[in-house]
Amino acid sequence: QKEVEQDPGPLSVPEGAIVSLNCTYSNSAFQYFMWYRQYSRKGPELLMYTYSSGNKEDGRFTAQVDKSSKYISLFIRDSQPSDSATYLCAMSKISGNTPLVFGKGTRLSVIA
Amino acid sequence: DAGVIQSPRHEVTEMGQEVTLRCKPISGHNSLFWYRQTMMRGLELLIYFNNNVPIDDSGMPEDRFSAKMPNASFSTLKIQPSEPRDSAVYFCASSSQGGGREENIQYFGAGTRLSVL
Repeated sequence: QKEVEQDPGPLSVPEGAIVSLNCTYSNSAFQYFMWYRQYSRKGPELLMYTYSSGNKEDGRFTAQVDKSSKYISLFIRDSQPSDSATYLCAMSKISGNTPLVFGKGTRLSVIA
Repeated sequence: DAGVIQSPRHEVTEMGQEVTLRCKPISGHNSLFWYRQTMMRGLELLIYFNNNVPIDDSGMPEDRFSAKMPNASFSTLKIQPSEPRDSAVYFCASSSQGGGREENIQYFGAGTRLSVL
């Protein structure tokens, strides 16, 4: 079993829909949780960064961490075609500048 | 800042040839990471450096892979000899060891797409 599991999709939704993306993990030592967005043939770019449990909101994006269930989520409200990309969850044990363990990514398509 | 710069963007080579990938981290960052992305395995760490010193190379597949960081503004990843199974996208990322948690974010380059025929 990989340390981080993520459904690869693909996920296709209509414009304006609420999108829910999820990852589960097995190592309780993970403390820092991130979501990266990767457009085709580009490098990953950081979308959300959270420490330990709780919620964090940034515009249309909300990240949730439930350490008791070893489960993290990313919600996208009012999804737009420009949100079409692969979303990667990532986590680390010590801090964000130590190696990240990534999920395999979920490919999202938002249809206009 | 121009961000993390990787070169070349694409590399096509024949099996057995030496391949060198290059990375220039963001100025002022003191941590540098090399990751490899494949469809099968996703994004995985190969090696990382703190202050130009290799800290963890346990992700390097085998002796054919080597990485160096001769100074704070340059790193190379070398594959010799290359094999078809090395075909992947190789990413370099950098970060700073700031005092606040929010500063410890990894910024990725655009990657080098390697094809070994």
